[in-house]
Amino acid sequence: DAGVIQSPRHEVTEMGQEVTLRCKPISGHNSLFWYRQTMMRGLELLIYFNNNVPIDDSGMPEDRFSAKMPNASFSTLKIQPSEPRDSAVYFCASSTPRYSGNTIYFGEGSWLTVV
Amino acid sequence: ELKVEQNPLFLSMQEGKNYTIYCNYSTTSDRLYWYRQDPGKSLESLFVLLSNGAVKQEGRLMASLDTKARLSTLHITAAVHDLSATYFCAVSMEYGNKLVFGAGTILRVKS
Repeated sequence: DAGVIQSPRHEVTEMGQEVTLRCKPISGHNSLFWYRQTMMRGLELLIYFNNNVPIDDSGMPEDRFSAKMPNASFSTLKIQPSEPRDSAVYFCASSTPRYSGNTIYFGEGSWLTVV
Repeated sequence: ELKVEQNPLFLSMQEGKNYTIYCNYSTTSDRLYWYRQDPGKSLESLFVLLSNGAVKQEGRLMASLDTKARLSTLHITAAVHDLSATYFCAVSMEYGNKLVFGAGTILRVKS
């Protein structure tokens, strides 16, 4: 099993540029999560999908952030325009249904620096 | 709003000693997760606790859950240097898959 795959692993971009982070969940998992980790705020849930449908996006900080899941094997998190305060590690995670006693598996993260 | 509190936030231990990390949460939940994170790495799942009284053990780590007290503990037995990492607890909302994380406990085991 390849695990949750994220790309890019590292990105440095200039303020105002568009950033797109990508995620491939574990095959067969029907829930997908985007988390952000910073020293100041810890781990924050941005959005999660069940069966490709966004269920809770209350953690998305503002309209500059958007997420899509066009199919069961791919999701994107887009920031446009990016700002220095968006610098963080962005984790994608996936899991099996809740009723199956799910474990939630995290990808390696995308380390974003906005200068 | 679900809040998750861990303590201590930083723990420096001598090798061979025992200690416990505590995780309190504010609203009803039926499952609790423990994760480990090494510096610059992802989160590794340690335990998923699904019911009141659940106890799970792996090596020198043992986790338990008391849903009535809204408390989970992660007990470390005879600590070794390799256990140095940040440990997070996370609680799932009763309906849905949303995980709320604690702030994490930085564990340093000294030789």
